[in-house]
This record gives sequence, C-alpha cells and structure tokens, in this order.
Amino acid sequence: DGGITQSPKYLFRKEGQNVTLSCEQNLNHDAMYWYRQDPGQGLRLIYYSQIVNDFQKGDIAEGYSVSREKKESFPLTVTSAQKNPTAFYLCASSPEDGRMNTEAFFGQGTRLTVV
Amino acid sequence: AQKITQTQPGMFVQEKEAVTLDCTYDTSDPSYGLFWYKQPSSGEMIFLIYQGSYDQQNATEGRYSLNFQKARKSANLVISASQLGDSAMYFCAMREIQGAQKLVFGQGTRLTINP
Repeated sequence: DGGITQSPKYLFRKEGQNVTLSCEQNLNHDAMYWYRQDPGQGLRLIYYSQIVNDFQKGDIAEGYSVSREKKESFPLTVTSAQKNPTAFYLCASSPEDGRMNTEAFFGQGTRLTVV
Repeated sequence: AQKITQTQPGMFVQEKEAVTLDCTYDTSDPSYGLFWYKQPSSGEMIFLIYQGSYDQQNATEGRYSLNFQKARKSANLVISASQLGDSAMYFCAMREIQGAQKLVFGQGTRLTINP
C-alpha cells in the first residue's frame, strides 16, 4: 500500500542531544513537509521540499535541519539549538503538479519528549 | 502573507445534530485552495473536503459540506447528522498558487459529540 511512514512513533531525547526523525513515502510525490504540533495547537510548518536536493525554511525552522537526498525520504533533525522540542511532529507529502486541489497526505506522526 | 483563523477552540454538539465549524482566511492571491482535515486522538490527519477559489459551487463530500463565502473570506465546514465518531480536532488549511504552494493550517477546533 502507498503511504507515508514516520518512525519512531515515540522518541525520547536528553537535553543537548540531536535526534533525527524519519519520514519515507512511496507515493512518488515531489513535495514533502514537516510540521510541528503542540498540545491543543495547530500545525506549524518547519521545513518543506519541492524537489530532491532542495528545501526551504518554514515558519519555525530555527533549531531544526533537514535533507532531501532521495525523493522518498525527508528526515528531520532536531538539534540541541531547539530549546523546546517536546511536541508532535507530522510529515506530509503531496504531488507538485501545479493543481490546487491536491491534498497533502500525512504520516502517523512522531511524539518527541525531552527528558 | 496568508493566514487561517479558526475562532472556536471547542464545540459541543448532541449526536445527530448538524454542526458548523468556522474558518476565515486572509490572502491576496486570487488563486488558492482551502482544505479541511480531521485529526482523531490517534494523531493521524484525515483529509475531508476541498474548495477551490474559482469553484462556483460549494463542495460536498457525504456528510461534509463547505459553506464558501468568497467575499467574506470564509470557508466553514458543515457536518450533518453528527456521529460519536466525529469527535476530533478539525483543521482548516489553505494553499496559494503563488510561492511554494505550501499548506498553512489554522489553530483547529476540538469537536465533541455528546450521546
């Protein structure tokens, strides 16, 4: 079945550590996105990529880094510079076909907790 | 800059009643798309319905319909004959044709259906 896979589902990080969240899709989508969701809040865009080897900062990119070396993969690294990383992280993808009505497909999310 | 506003943090509705979830948006782009997503407690994001800025008719998908008032920049979601399984967070989102076509979300409304 086609879809987006995020791993791990739960992740615990110690203060000062970098951690990487995985996002893989087999939908052949060009665009991929990372969102952060805090309790009771909406989704805020961290980074997005419309094509391999290219990505742009979203609204809250500070303390995060990404790479897009393969079309299927868009890993997110939460660095020690991110002061409040505890949140729910959602990865999404969509076809970059210029049509406005193509919805984004989401993974199941990764819940990151700093201990 | 685009902006999505959902003014209802929480809504409580009796089962089988209809419910309207509000969404207003702000954009200077004449071409844009509006989306509604449902997020159950499991955290997954489920696409519900889409409305394009040039669509002449309001979108409908089963029990979901969109009350699109372009001049007022509102795109309210209407759920008819609500069911217990409709209890979830609901997010309004917008994509503009200009720029990177990224999907921007509102803060969400938590809907609770009472038996």
